[in-house]
Amino acid sequence: ETGVTQSPTHLIKTRGQQVTLRCSSQSGHNTVSWYQQALGQGPQFIFQYYREEENGRGNFPPRFSGLQFPNYSSELNVNALELDDSALYLCASSYSGGLNNEQFFGPGTRLTVL
Amino acid sequence: QKEVEQNSGPLSVPEGAIASLNCTYSDRGSQSFFWYRQYSGKSPELIMSIYSNGDKEDGRFTAQLNKASQYVSLLIRDSQPSDSATYLCAVVESGTYKYIFGTGTRLKVLA
Repeated sequence: ETGVTQSPTHLIKTRGQQVTLRCSSQSGHNTVSWYQQALGQGPQFIFQYYREEENGRGNFPPRFSGLQFPNYSSELNVNALELDDSALYLCASSYSGGLNNEQFFGPGTRLTVL
Repeated sequence: QKEVEQNSGPLSVPEGAIASLNCTYSDRGSQSFFWYRQYSGKSPELIMSIYSNGDKEDGRFTAQLNKASQYVSLLIRDSQPSDSATYLCAVVESGTYKYIFGTGTRLKVLA
């Protein structure tokens, strides 16, 4: 069974730039959720994708957007980067439609905005 | 705004002792509850899920849920230095698949 993978591991950008982060879900999973985790905080829900559509969104501005592909992998795009966007970005996959909705996290992408 | 509250710690326990981690939540309709362990610089790892009132045991870990009191806890028996990590409580918001996380409790197991 293949776990959740994310790329890249680390990324350094400057203010105003755009970034794309990628996630491959665990085999057998059809749902991907994205989280932002600032230092010393719990993960904050950005949005979730199911069947290639956004299936819920947290309190993040529209410059945070995403995609899910037919193979259930996903991208997170952030436009017009701000210093406060510096964080660990986590992708979690799960199976929607089962008896539980356990989410399993990938290793994360550490984004630094200078 | 739905909330999940945890004591940030650090909670220090001697090796071999029982560590007790607590979490309260505001969404009375929540039905799914999870505990994750996060080592420094790593991503969260699922250790327990619980959906019904009462206790659920898995090895050295026991999760306890009391929906009436909106309280969920995690007990770690025979604590080991390798258990030193931040423990995150997550609650699924009612009517959604959105996880709401607490800020985590940092546990230190002293050898």
